[in-house]
Amino acid sequence: GQQLNQSPQSMFIQEGEDVSMNCTSSSIFNTWLWYKQDPGEGPVLLIALYKAGELTSNGRLTAQFGITRKDSFLNISASIPSDVGIYFCAGQRNAGNMLTFGGGTRLMVKP
Amino acid sequence: ETGVTQTPRHLVMGMTNKKSLKCEQHLGHNAMYWYKQSAKKPLELMFVYSLEERVENNSVPSRFSPECPNSSHLFLHLHTLQPEDSALYLCASSQDRQGNQPQHFGDGTRLSIL
Repeated sequence: GQQLNQSPQSMFIQEGEDVSMNCTSSSIFNTWLWYKQDPGEGPVLLIALYKAGELTSNGRLTAQFGITRKDSFLNISASIPSDVGIYFCAGQRNAGNMLTFGGGTRLMVKP
Repeated sequence: ETGVTQTPRHLVMGMTNKKSLKCEQHLGHNAMYWYKQSAKKPLELMFVYSLEERVENNSVPSRFSPECPNSSHLFLHLHTLQPEDSALYLCASSQDRQGNQPQHFGDGTRLSIL
């Protein structure tokens, strides 16, 4: 089945640092989504990407849809303590297909 | 507030109990989903409903029984569960299954099986 490899699995960084995480797949996806899950809550959509090569920002977050359609990156600039949580990537092959989720990146920020 | 509300937030039950999880979405969406989130595993899709019709059952044991009485409500009926069923159960909804609109998640029900 389709698999998404998300890395790193966890990161422990200093407040103010930039963060980068990515998802890769052996299969092509036509939609990439990035979610954040705070402790005790469900995943919340951060950024949706629909076109290969697309670069989209949401505040301090920037995500890119890889040109090969097999990967995506999420960058967080100038991290703050409330960035703590688990970040999930999700890929969708075609409209109507189910989402495939990565294993998540647990981000910890030291004030 | 994501527009998807799940109750209860926490549930502890014995293996012989029968209970139900409830999900309600206020977004006017037509597709609803149940996911299982276990520690150190990717989110696992369990069921998909589109316009109140089940369109996907991802090889889920029969001790989990979904019900979608209308497009705003989704239930997951539980009976004779096993300890390995302890997990966070997440409900999600999307505009429909054909478009590119992303899924919106509820905050989940944390289920513990004694």
